[in-house]
Amino acid sequence: AQKITQTQPGMFVQEKEAVTLDCTYDTSDPSYGLFWYKQPSSGEMIFLIYQGSYDQQNATEGRYSLNFQKARKSANLVISASQLGDSAMYFCAMREVDRGNTPLVFGKGTRLSVIA
Amino acid sequence: GAVVSQHPSRVICKSGTSVKIECRSLDFQATTMFWYRQFPKKSLMLMATSNEGSKATYEQGVEKDKFLINHASLTLSTLTVTSAHPEDSSFYICSASQRNTEAFFGQGTRLTVV
Repeated sequence: AQKITQTQPGMFVQEKEAVTLDCTYDTSDPSYGLFWYKQPSSGEMIFLIYQGSYDQQNATEGRYSLNFQKARKSANLVISASQLGDSAMYFCAMREVDRGNTPLVFGKGTRLSVIA
Repeated sequence: GAVVSQHPSRVICKSGTSVKIECRSLDFQATTMFWYRQFPKKSLMLMATSNEGSKATYEQGVEKDKFLINHASLTLSTLTVTSAHPEDSSFYICSASQRNTEAFFGQGTRLTVV
């Protein structure tokens, strides 16, 4: 079974600073994908970044980067140059990728608050 | 890019009535869609897997007679909350994807049963 652990219920960061949101995972599958989503108060799930288990390089998307450490089973999200609009819930999730279309398994989330 | 549309975004209904929530994939065919439920300040919990042309697969503890899922076409899955009660009040959200490297979500539906 797959499991995602996010140990930080809440985080604060100063505007323009970088912040790291932690995510560790557990799976017995060799092929998996790791996702990060942002959920503002409106409830929509905004896709941020994806990392495949076989990807050699860490994924990056604009101000978002994923610090993928496979041996440690961690997939931390780094947000650089934080903005007030980054305040939201952030979810780490994973899925198997070799058994067809499978659902995502989510962590409990981290609430990020950006302070001016 | 691929988009998943969910409707309605917000609904208030009386206890005992039924509510239908629609989830559409707008520019791709989705043989499988997923329905999640989210309680306030909690994470997303998988309720069921909706399969086009066949019965949905429900997660343990989810009442299939309470939460009816129909996936009649490759672009539409519906979740009907039957005989809704206040404890069914929650945020419901669907997801679909073309590839395993992506997962798109609908806008979500905030259900309030009074």
